[in-house]
Amino acid sequence: DQQVKQNSPSLSVQEGRISILNCDYTNSMFDYFLWYKKYPAEGPTFLISISSIKDKNEDGRFTVFLNKSAKHLSLHIVPSQPGDSAVYFCAASDYSYSGYALNFGKGTSLLVTP
Amino acid sequence: NAGVTQTPKFRVLKTGQSMTLLCAQDMNHEYMYWYRQDPGMGLRLIHYSVGEGTTAKGEVPDGYNVSRLKKQNFLLGLESAAPSQTSVYFCASSYGPAEAFFGQGTRLTVV
Repeated sequence: DQQVKQNSPSLSVQEGRISILNCDYTNSMFDYFLWYKKYPAEGPTFLISISSIKDKNEDGRFTVFLNKSAKHLSLHIVPSQPGDSAVYFCAASDYSYSGYALNFGKGTSLLVTP
Repeated sequence: NAGVTQTPKFRVLKTGQSMTLLCAQDMNHEYMYWYRQDPGMGLRLIHYSVGEGTTAKGEVPDGYNVSRLKKQNFLLGLESAAPSQTSVYFCASSYGPAEAFFGQGTRLTVV
Protein backbone atom coordinates (compact mmCIF):
# COMPACT_ATOMS: atom_id res chain seq x y z
CA ASP A 1 0.00 0.00 0.00
CA GLN A 2 1.45 3.32 -1.10
CA GLN A 3 2.38 5.33 2.00
CA VAL A 4 3.77 8.28 0.04
CA LYS A 5 1.59 9.64 -2.72
CA GLN A 6 2.28 12.08 -5.49
CA ASN A 7 -1.05 12.49 -7.21
CA SER A 8 0.15 14.63 -10.10
CA PRO A 9 2.13 12.57 -12.62
CA SER A 10 3.17 15.67 -14.52
CA LEU A 11 3.38 19.44 -14.28
CA SER A 12 4.23 22.08 -16.87
CA VAL A 13 5.38 25.55 -15.83
CA GLN A 14 6.76 28.54 -17.70
CA GLU A 15 10.31 29.64 -17.07
CA GLY A 16 10.50 32.20 -14.29
CA ARG A 17 7.23 31.16 -12.67
CA ILE A 18 6.77 29.13 -9.51
CA SER A 19 6.61 25.32 -9.61
CA ILE A 20 4.69 23.66 -6.80
CA LEU A 21 4.98 19.90 -6.39
CA ASN A 22 2.78 18.18 -3.85
CA CYS A 23 3.10 15.04 -1.77
CA ASP A 24 0.85 13.32 0.76
CA TYR A 25 1.72 10.57 3.21
CA THR A 26 -0.29 8.22 5.36
CA ASN A 27 2.21 6.96 7.94
CA SER A 28 2.31 9.26 10.98
CA MET A 29 5.59 7.63 12.08
CA PHE A 30 7.53 9.25 9.27
CA ASP A 31 9.92 11.77 10.77
CA TYR A 32 12.12 12.84 7.88
CA PHE A 33 11.06 13.92 4.42
CA LEU A 34 13.12 14.44 1.31
CA TRP A 35 12.83 15.49 -2.29
CA TYR A 36 14.92 13.91 -5.00
CA LYS A 37 15.43 14.96 -8.58
CA LYS A 38 16.00 12.44 -11.32
CA TYR A 39 17.15 12.86 -14.89
CA PRO A 40 16.74 10.02 -17.42
CA ALA A 41 19.40 7.29 -17.21
CA GLU A 42 20.77 8.70 -13.95
CA GLY A 43 20.27 7.89 -10.30
CA PRO A 44 18.13 10.12 -8.09
CA THR A 45 19.99 13.07 -6.59
CA PHE A 46 19.11 14.66 -3.29
CA LEU A 47 17.52 18.08 -3.48
CA ILE A 48 16.23 19.18 -0.09
CA SER A 49 14.89 17.68 3.13
CA ILE A 50 12.90 18.57 6.20
CA SER A 51 12.61 17.09 9.65
CA SER A 52 9.20 16.52 11.18
CA ILE A 53 9.98 19.10 13.88
CA LYS A 54 10.08 21.87 11.28
CA ASP A 55 7.46 23.25 8.94
CA LYS A 56 9.72 24.92 6.40
CA ASN A 57 13.19 24.52 4.98
CA GLU A 58 14.73 26.71 2.33
CA ASP A 59 17.75 26.24 0.10
CA GLY A 60 18.22 28.81 -2.62
CA ARG A 61 15.38 28.53 -5.12
CA PHE A 62 13.95 25.47 -3.37
CA THR A 63 11.64 25.51 -0.37
CA VAL A 64 9.92 22.56 1.23
CA PHE A 65 6.86 23.02 3.41
CA LEU A 66 5.54 20.41 5.82
CA ASN A 67 2.02 20.33 7.23
CA LYS A 68 2.01 17.47 9.71
CA SER A 69 -1.63 17.75 10.65
CA ALA A 70 -2.60 17.34 7.00
CA LYS A 71 0.21 14.83 6.32
CA HIS A 72 1.19 16.94 3.36
CA LEU A 73 4.38 18.42 2.05
CA SER A 74 5.16 20.53 -0.96
CA LEU A 75 8.23 21.63 -2.89
CA HIS A 76 8.33 25.16 -4.28
CA ILE A 77 10.81 26.11 -6.96
CA VAL A 78 11.13 29.85 -7.56
CA PRO A 79 11.97 30.93 -10.19
CA SER A 80 11.69 27.81 -12.32
CA GLN A 81 14.38 27.23 -14.92
CA PRO A 82 14.48 24.90 -17.96
CA GLY A 83 17.24 22.89 -16.24
CA ASP A 84 14.76 22.03 -13.50
CA SER A 85 12.90 19.80 -15.95
CA ALA A 86 13.16 16.33 -14.42
CA VAL A 87 11.18 13.80 -12.40
CA TYR A 88 10.81 14.77 -8.74
CA PHE A 89 10.34 12.13 -6.11
CA CYS A 90 9.01 12.75 -2.66
CA ALA A 91 10.37 10.36 -0.03
CA ALA A 92 9.91 9.75 3.68
CA SER A 93 11.74 7.73 6.30
CA ASP A 94 11.26 6.33 9.75
CA TYR A 95 13.82 4.14 11.49
CA SER A 96 11.21 1.57 12.43
CA TYR A 97 10.66 1.07 8.71
CA SER A 98 13.69 -0.71 7.29
CA GLY A 99 16.51 1.20 8.94
CA TYR A 100 16.12 4.69 7.46
CA ALA A 101 15.21 3.30 4.05
CA LEU A 102 13.29 5.78 1.97
CA ASN A 103 9.66 5.23 1.06
CA PHE A 104 9.11 6.88 -2.32
CA GLY A 105 6.18 8.35 -4.13
CA LYS A 106 5.68 7.58 -7.81
CA GLY A 107 7.16 10.87 -8.93
CA THR A 108 6.04 14.02 -10.73
CA SER A 109 7.52 14.89 -14.09
CA LEU A 110 8.19 18.63 -14.22
CA LEU A 111 8.60 20.41 -17.55
CA VAL A 112 9.77 24.01 -17.49
CA THR A 113 9.18 25.70 -20.82
CA PRO A 114 11.08 28.76 -22.05
CA ASN B 1 35.34 10.73 -4.57
CA ALA B 2 33.23 8.24 -6.55
CA GLY B 3 30.27 8.01 -4.13
CA VAL B 4 28.13 4.98 -5.04
CA THR B 5 29.19 2.86 -7.98
CA GLN B 6 27.08 0.13 -9.55
CA THR B 7 28.33 -2.64 -11.81
CA PRO B 8 27.24 -3.42 -14.50
CA LYS B 9 25.27 -0.53 -16.04
CA PHE B 10 23.36 -2.74 -18.48
CA ARG B 11 22.67 -6.45 -18.71
CA VAL B 12 20.45 -8.77 -20.71
CA LEU B 13 19.68 -12.15 -19.17
CA LYS B 14 17.79 -15.16 -20.37
CA THR B 15 15.04 -16.53 -18.16
CA GLY B 16 16.54 -18.86 -15.57
CA GLN B 17 20.04 -17.39 -15.67
CA SER B 18 21.67 -15.99 -12.57
CA MET B 19 23.66 -12.85 -12.00
CA THR B 20 25.04 -10.57 -9.30
CA LEU B 21 24.83 -6.81 -9.22
CA LEU B 22 27.62 -5.10 -7.34
CA CYS B 23 27.32 -1.89 -5.38
CA ALA B 24 30.33 -0.14 -3.87
CA GLN B 25 30.39 3.01 -1.77
CA ASP B 26 33.39 4.97 -0.55
CA MET B 27 31.66 7.19 2.02
CA ASN B 28 31.97 4.78 4.96
CA HIS B 29 28.19 4.60 5.25
CA GLU B 30 26.63 2.03 7.55
CA TYR B 31 23.34 1.72 5.69
CA MET B 32 22.96 0.37 2.19
CA TYR B 33 19.88 -0.34 0.11
CA TRP B 34 18.74 -1.93 -3.13
CA TYR B 35 15.72 -0.48 -4.93
CA ARG B 36 14.03 -1.27 -8.19
CA GLN B 37 12.25 1.25 -10.35
CA ASP B 38 9.48 0.22 -12.71
CA PRO B 39 7.41 2.52 -14.94
CA GLY B 40 4.75 4.32 -12.91
CA MET B 41 5.82 2.60 -9.68
CA GLY B 42 8.44 4.85 -8.16
CA LEU B 43 11.31 3.18 -6.32
CA ARG B 44 10.59 0.12 -4.22
CA LEU B 45 12.90 -1.31 -1.58
CA ILE B 46 14.17 -4.84 -2.26
CA HIS B 47 16.65 -5.47 0.56
CA TYR B 48 18.67 -3.35 2.91
CA SER B 49 21.59 -3.56 5.33
CA VAL B 50 22.18 -1.62 8.52
CA GLY B 51 25.83 -2.62 8.78
CA GLU B 52 28.51 -5.06 7.69
CA GLY B 53 27.31 -8.63 7.93
CA THR B 54 23.62 -7.71 8.24
CA THR B 55 20.82 -7.87 5.68
CA ALA B 56 17.05 -7.62 5.83
CA LYS B 57 14.07 -7.83 3.50
CA GLY B 58 12.35 -4.79 2.13
CA GLU B 59 9.07 -4.38 0.33
CA VAL B 60 9.72 -6.63 -2.70
CA PRO B 61 12.39 -9.21 -1.75
CA ASP B 62 11.11 -12.30 -3.55
CA GLY B 63 13.53 -13.72 -6.13
CA TYR B 64 16.52 -11.77 -4.79
CA ASN B 65 19.28 -12.42 -2.28
CA VAL B 66 21.87 -10.04 -0.88
CA SER B 67 25.15 -10.08 0.98
CA ARG B 68 27.17 -7.46 2.84
CA LEU B 69 30.47 -9.12 3.63
CA LYS B 70 32.37 -5.83 3.55
CA LYS B 71 31.08 -2.49 4.74
CA GLN B 72 31.68 -0.81 1.41
CA ASN B 73 29.99 -3.46 -0.77
CA PHE B 74 26.40 -4.62 -1.10
CA LEU B 75 25.66 -7.39 -3.59
CA LEU B 76 22.27 -8.19 -5.09
CA GLY B 77 21.82 -11.67 -6.55
CA LEU B 78 19.22 -13.09 -8.87
CA GLU B 79 19.35 -16.88 -8.65
CA SER B 80 16.93 -17.64 -11.49
CA ALA B 81 15.97 -14.56 -13.44
CA ALA B 82 12.36 -14.05 -14.53
CA PRO B 83 10.89 -11.52 -17.00
CA SER B 84 9.15 -9.83 -14.04
CA GLN B 85 12.61 -8.83 -12.80
CA THR B 86 13.17 -6.63 -15.83
CA SER B 87 13.70 -3.26 -14.19
CA VAL B 88 16.18 -0.55 -13.34
CA TYR B 89 18.02 -1.31 -10.13
CA PHE B 90 19.43 1.38 -7.87
CA CYS B 91 21.78 0.99 -4.98
CA ALA B 92 21.97 3.65 -2.28
CA SER B 93 23.86 4.31 0.92
CA SER B 94 23.44 6.60 3.88
CA TYR B 95 24.89 7.14 7.33
CA GLY B 96 21.44 7.12 8.87
CA PRO B 97 18.83 9.83 9.35
CA ALA B 98 19.87 11.88 6.36
CA GLU B 99 19.82 11.80 2.63
CA ALA B 100 20.76 8.64 0.79
CA PHE B 101 23.19 8.75 -2.09
CA PHE B 102 22.30 6.74 -5.16
CA GLY B 103 24.29 4.98 -7.82
CA GLN B 104 23.67 5.55 -11.51
CA GLY B 105 21.52 2.45 -11.86
CA THR B 106 21.66 -0.93 -13.61
CA ARG B 107 19.22 -1.54 -16.43
CA LEU B 108 18.38 -5.25 -16.47
CA THR B 109 16.33 -6.96 -19.16
CA VAL B 110 15.25 -10.59 -18.74
CA VAL B 111 14.09 -12.25 -21.97
